[in-house]
Amino acid sequence: KAGVTQTPRYLIKTRGQQVTLSCSPISGHRSVSWYQQTPGQGLQFLFEYFSETQRNKGNFPGRFSGRQFSNSRSEMNVSTLELGDSALYLCASSLERLTNEKLFFGSGTQLSVL
Amino acid sequence: GDSVTQMEGPVTLSEEAFLTINCTYTATGYPSLFWYVQYPGEGLQLLLKATKADDKGSNKGFEATYRKETTSFHLEKGSVQVSDSAVYFCATREDTGRRALTFGSGTRLQVQP
Repeated sequence: KAGVTQTPRYLIKTRGQQVTLSCSPISGHRSVSWYQQTPGQGLQFLFEYFSETQRNKGNFPGRFSGRQFSNSRSEMNVSTLELGDSALYLCASSLERLTNEKLFFGSGTQLSVL
Repeated sequence: GDSVTQMEGPVTLSEEAFLTINCTYTATGYPSLFWYVQYPGEGLQLLLKATKADDKGSNKGFEATYRKETTSFHLEKGSVQVSDSAVYFCATREDTGRRALTFGSGTRLQVQP
């Protein structure tokens, strides 16, 4: 069974641009969560999608958004990029809602904002 | 909200040494507690968990006990191997409300042969 797949693996953007990251969950998983990982702040929860609806949201500005498609694949978008958005963005999937703690993480997308 | 504090790394040990990585948490309710491990170039994997006070989670020789009185969930292993070199994250999950995972900042473990 394939694991959680995130694309692209690496991304370089400049300030003010926007970026879209993609996450394909494990087959059969319906929940996708996104996390931002930085050396200073550690792992911070961005949001969770389940059945194409955002179910939970962390404390990030509105520049961070996402969506989920009917096949459970999810995309995350960051608009008007800032230098501080440079981070490893991790996607995690689980069978059901976040109440199920068995999260399976992808390898992440490393975003560098110049 | 919940918060998790882990000991700063890196922790450098020789093979077969005893490992302890400290983790303490703050929470308003009765969270579940987890240790995740991130090997180089990979995503996080669940290592072990405990869902109530005095529970002991264990996996691959690692253990951690849910200590409500000290709000701690320290990770231990009696004899580390080079293959245990990774970053270890302690995490809590709220028992109500948003139920998202709150992670500590991670502790890098380096095991030398």
